[in-house]
Amino acid sequence: DGGITQSPKYLFRKEGQNVTLSCEQNLNHDAMYWYRQDPGQGLRLIYYSQIVNDFQKGDIAEGYSVSREKKESFPLTVTSAQKNPTAFYLCATRWGNTEAFFGQGTRLTVV
Amino acid sequence: KQEVTQIPAALSVPEGENLVLNCSFTDSAIYNLQWFRQDPGKGLTSLLLIQSSQREQTSGRLNASLDKSSGRSTLYIAASQPGDSATYLCAVRLREGGSEKLVFGKGTKLTVNP
Repeated sequence: DGGITQSPKYLFRKEGQNVTLSCEQNLNHDAMYWYRQDPGQGLRLIYYSQIVNDFQKGDIAEGYSVSREKKESFPLTVTSAQKNPTAFYLCATRWGNTEAFFGQGTRLTVV
Repeated sequence: KQEVTQIPAALSVPEGENLVLNCSFTDSAIYNLQWFRQDPGKGLTSLLLIQSSQREQTSGRLNASLDKSSGRSTLYIAASQPGDSATYLCAVRLREGGSEKLVFGKGTKLTVNP
């Protein structure tokens, strides 16, 4: 199956913990993105990467970190510095000037 | 800074009705505009992509138009069905402040009643 796989679907984090969300794609797309979705606020860009070993901050990068060691993978780490991490996290990919495709999301909850 | 607005925020219609969802954006310097559908607790499904040089795109019962100069797009859904119930999001792709991004509206929640 071609597509974008986000895991886990649900994730629970204790206060002060770092957690990592996985995003894997087999579409051979160069660009990958992480978005955060909160009720009533729409989607906001956290980080994006155009090529391997390169990434840029989006609008709300504080408290998050990413890596892009392989074309297929763009993991997002939510650090303890992120004060309000409870949200729905979406990974997306894009090739050239074509449409963006999204994964099924990870719902992160702080307990 | 680019802002994307979707009106109305929610819409409820009887089955079979034709309907229009609206999307407006403040900066016309966009690469393209994309319409998505989101079901509760799920990711986004791409519906239609309109490049900045295009005026409209069609897929089945869906038709999306783009008027870049006025900063507007519409999504027309013909003969609506209960299965069309979902939140519809529009997003513009642009370069802003050194970042290349999709900027999203907050969505229109559509309910089609049998």
